[in-house]
Amino acid sequence: AIRITQSPSSLSASTGDRVTITCRASQGISSYLAWYQQKPGKAPKLLIYAASTLQSGVPSRFSGSGSGTDFTLTISCLQSEDFATYYCQQYNSYPLTFGGGTKVEIK
Amino acid sequence: QITLKESGPTLVKPTQTLTLTCTFSGFSLSTSGVGVGWIRQPPGKALEWLALIYWDDDKRYSPSLKSRLTITKDTSKNQVVLTMTNMDPVDTATYYCAHSSGSYLDAFDIWGQGTMVTVSS
Repeated sequence: AIRITQSPSSLSASTGDRVTITCRASQGISSYLAWYQQKPGKAPKLLIYAASTLQSGVPSRFSGSGSGTDFTLTISCLQSEDFATYYCQQYNSYPLTFGGGTKVEIK
Repeated sequence: QITLKESGPTLVKPTQTLTLTCTFSGFSLSTSGVGVGWIRQPPGKALEWLALIYWDDDKRYSPSLKSRLTITKDTSKNQVVLTMTNMDPVDTATYYCAHSSGSYLDAFDIWGQGTMVTVSS
């Protein structure tokens, strides 16, 4: 199975900050990576797929980059509604696997 | 508008079989490229993919749970059913079903609200 290592596991940031979260795959997955946002008690929400394609309706302050084994989610200007936990997921091959999550907290 | 909703027992005893139903609307599981998957999340922990069924009845399972899982679909009822045998307290989690539409191997673009299942005697 492809292992996805996500870092950091948590971070503290202020509104307006630029935030970067990374995922590293244990083997190459081309661009078959998605990013999700999850708020407490809610289901995950798809933000980005194909490593860098913004899902419809997602604010443009979210962006994704990378291919192969190294990927990044960037929030350019953190808003209050962005405090949540973020997960990456590879869909290059079965079994589908998720990163361990990054909790973005208010500083 | 695509929606999915999970249903099933909130409490099961160890060794029992769990049956969860995902009832969806806004799409057909007979349409080429469509899939419905199950993902779970233990309290305070990360997401874990369990199983996925496609429009052509292709089925995929997590290798670590494959012996315990069965996924089926009822296209006429717009439902996908997941059964998990021999439940254990470590299977306590919120179980989600989710839609994918990019043929095989795609992201999950729409998720159900989830259903919490507790395994306890």
